[in-house]
Amino acid sequence: EAGVAQSPRYKIIEKRQSVAFWCNPISGHATLYWYQQILGQGPKLLIQFQNNGVVDDSQLPKDRFSAERLKGVDSTLKIQPAKLEDSAVYLCASSLSQRQFYEQYFGPGTRLTVT
Amino acid sequence: DQQVKQNSPSLSVQEGRISILNCDYTNSMFDYFLWYKKYPAEGPTFLISISSIKDKNEDGRFTVFLNKSAKHLSLHIVPSQPGDSAVYFCAARHDDYKLSFGAGTTVTVRA
Repeated sequence: EAGVAQSPRYKIIEKRQSVAFWCNPISGHATLYWYQQILGQGPKLLIQFQNNGVVDDSQLPKDRFSAERLKGVDSTLKIQPAKLEDSAVYLCASSLSQRQFYEQYFGPGTRLTVT
Repeated sequence: DQQVKQNSPSLSVQEGRISILNCDYTNSMFDYFLWYKKYPAEGPTFLISISSIKDKNEDGRFTVFLNKSAKHLSLHIVPSQPGDSAVYFCAARHDDYKLSFGAGTTVTVRA
């Protein structure tokens, strides 16, 4: 079974630029999560999708961050414009359903550096 | 608001000895606790969990203990092996199924 795929693995941009991350969850997983992990901290949930609908985006900075999950499969997370404090690893995870939260499978993450 | 805290950023242990990782939480409404393990350049992987109605769960070399009155849980790894060197995250589930993570503890197992 293929795992959660993410790209790119690394990205360096200047502040005020835009960036997009892509995630392909495990086939058949209805729930998809985007986490932000700042150095020295644990992952923080940014947004959760159930199929192509948003379940929770309460911690997503909506003035600059956006995410979509078209057709309930792949997802993209965009930052526009980026700030220095957005430097972090962005993790995508998926699970069969929201109830099976403990079986969240994580991708390798995208390390973003904003200079 | 850090509801899950791992106060020890790092732990070094000799191979074959016990590793004890600690985690404290503040929200008494958490009903499920999990430990994740993370190797460099990889995403976290689920290790072991415990329901709030239990005080112990064991899986091979890994045992998690929960003390609800103290709002404290711990992960014991016995015996520690070189492959256990990783970052370990404690996480707790809200009633809306969201997870809150601690900052992680880096474990180094010395040969």
